Amino acid sequence: QKEVEQNSGPLSVPEGAIASLNCTYSDRVSQSFFWYRQYSGKSPELIMSIYSNGDKEDGRFTAQLNKASQYVSLLIRDSQPSDSATYLCAVNMFGGTSYGKLTFGQGTILTVHP
Amino acid sequence: DTEVTQTPKHLVMGMTNKKSLKCEQHMGHRAMYWYKQKAKKPPELMFVYSYEKLSINESVPSRFSPECPNSSLLNLHLHALQPEDSALYLCASRSTSGTDTQYFGPGTRLTVL
Repeated sequence: QKEVEQNSGPLSVPEGAIASLNCTYSDRVSQSFFWYRQYSGKSPELIMSIYSNGDKEDGRFTAQLNKASQYVSLLIRDSQPSDSATYLCAVNMFGGTSYGKLTFGQGTILTVHP
Repeated sequence: DTEVTQTPKHLVMGMTNKKSLKCEQHMGHRAMYWYKQKAKKPPELMFVYSYEKLSINESVPSRFSPECPNSSLLNLHLHALQPEDSALYLCASRSTSGTDTQYFGPGTRLTVL
């Protein structure tokens, strides 16, 4: 089983719709969870971080965390063509290290079509 | 300000060349990272420095040699690379107190001929 798994995609949604991106992780002691957006040829850009169970909202983005189910998701409301990118789920896994290692899922390609 | 800078943006080198990648941040972060990213793949961790000391080496070949001369600067020295080392090389940093968010630089696109 991969340490961090994302829904395989690619995901295509019409402009104005809600895009739902999902991620599961294997390490039960993980405490920090991140969503990064990466445009083609660019570096990852932080969209959301979440540490506690429940929802966290920032503008059109909502991250949801359920530690019991080892599940984290990202909802993008009112999707825009500019949201078209690869979304990377990342989990900070400690594994005995002081500052942890960010483990990424394979990424989900999102396309928002007009 | 959450800026991490990387130079150069693009680098083309032959297999016998020696070159260096540079990463800089002025956020006071004491943990810095090198990642390698191939096309359509997620970033792969290469090295972690904390308080200017190498704390993680993910079994990276010795043709990649990291260096952290001070708390703001991270270098990656390249020597005798192979064409399969062509990739986007990303630097990231994070605070060692408070939030553990990693902030990425824009990357260096490396091509090995």
